[in-house]
Amino acid sequence: QQQVKQSPQSLIVQKGGISIINCAYENTAFDYFPWYQQFPGKGPALLIAIRPDVSEKKEGRFTISFNKSAKQFSLHIMDSQPGDSATYFCAASPRGTSYGKLTFGQGTILTVHP
Amino acid sequence: NAGVTQTPKFQVLKTGQSMTLQCAQDMNHNSMYWYRQDPGMGLRLIYYSASEGTTDKGEVPNGYNVSRLNKREFSLRLESAAPSQTSVYFCASKNTIGTDTQYFGPGTRLTVL
Repeated sequence: QQQVKQSPQSLIVQKGGISIINCAYENTAFDYFPWYQQFPGKGPALLIAIRPDVSEKKEGRFTISFNKSAKQFSLHIMDSQPGDSATYFCAASPRGTSYGKLTFGQGTILTVHP
Repeated sequence: NAGVTQTPKFQVLKTGQSMTLQCAQDMNHNSMYWYRQDPGMGLRLIYYSASEGTTDKGEVPNGYNVSRLNKREFSLRLESAAPSQTSVYFCASKNTIGTDTQYFGPGTRLTVL
């Protein structure tokens, strides 16, 4: 049972382009939606996160767009750089617990060509 | 401040062998987690420990056991390894106050032949 569905599985973008990764969730109890970035041979690291009380959050070149009614959220990477080449995971966790169990999407391998 | 550390980095086992993956964090976090990562499946939660002295099953607990040894350490044990347990295992930790961020270790790549 995949509660968070992520697409596409892989994405190739030219340097300077916009990368867009989408996620959809089913559980309406989710109220925290992070994106993690993972480089080969490393553990995932938090990139940016959002709560459903806002529709957009921007940090530098990275933006999360959130659509609560559609139960979808997406990551936009503006001016994509070769150094952004990595695997990206969306995730979600439910309200009501301090320990915050995360459910992850399947991951997107992003390749940015110079 | 090393963050989350995991040992070993790599391990090869034969079917039926047992082993323990070690995880330690030096951030004084209350909660700790074990995930496995498989191609095309993201990270799946195996077990977690919300606080010292407690452990609970995650999404894929079968074939694994855990021990929260103290606040710093959380180990994952495979009693009788199977090829289906070939994966990359990640430990993570999180403070239960003031942040939702989970911090991940560098992972253990396990192959079961």
